[in-house]
Amino acid sequence: QGLLAQSGDEVQRPGASVKVSCRTSGYTFTRYGIHWVRQAPGQGLEWMGYISTYNGYSDLARSFQGRVTLTTDTSTTTVYMELRGLTSDDTAVYYCAREASGYGEYDSKFNYFDPWGQGTLVTVSS
Amino acid sequence: SAELNQPPSVSVSPGQTASITCSGDNLGARYVSWYQQKPGQSPILVIYQDDKRPSGIPDRFSGSNSGNTATLTISGTQTMDEADYYCQTWASSTFVFGTGTKVSVL
Repeated sequence: QGLLAQSGDEVQRPGASVKVSCRTSGYTFTRYGIHWVRQAPGQGLEWMGYISTYNGYSDLARSFQGRVTLTTDTSTTTVYMELRGLTSDDTAVYYCAREASGYGEYDSKFNYFDPWGQGTLVTVSS
Repeated sequence: SAELNQPPSVSVSPGQTASITCSGDNLGARYVSWYQQKPGQSPILVIYQDDKRPSGIPDRFSGSNSGNTATLTISGTQTMDEADYYCQTWASSTFVFGTGTKVSVL
């Protein structure tokens, strides 16, 4: 199974930074990577990036490179997402989600997100 | 990067079949997952690896993927199935979500 519990909603000023946590439980932490996905009000889902909880390797969507840092704390089985240089366009619900993966036919890789955290609303306003 | 296009909305009567398409270049060569999201809630996985259902997902949900189109089918649609649905795939270390489809049951 597994559960992902995120930190509470935040209000930040433009130009500030925000750090959202995602505490995991109910499974072996280092066995599954964690992704971050955001959703602006009334909009669709946008993939932000991924971090391996095994070795800390991270990979970010191009639009977030240089502005987002993903980190892990194995002692507390928690993953963090820090977003810097906030603008009003960053107002959104931020989700963490656990990745599951495997190989199907012809050794083709599949992956999916399950479960998801409850979401953290970050509001950027002056 | 890959783009996945979905119809903005689909309407279906209770008990009928709803089909939600997800179109992308040579999408059939990649695996697709589907997520259901109800207002104010986190997405939940309903289909993975094109056509596999996680435990706890009713068998009225099914998926297929071929050519340039993946399809999520809801057979015998119930009012509780009213939600937004997103397809998702992976290519070259980039994860992409579809544009989303609002399913209305009326």
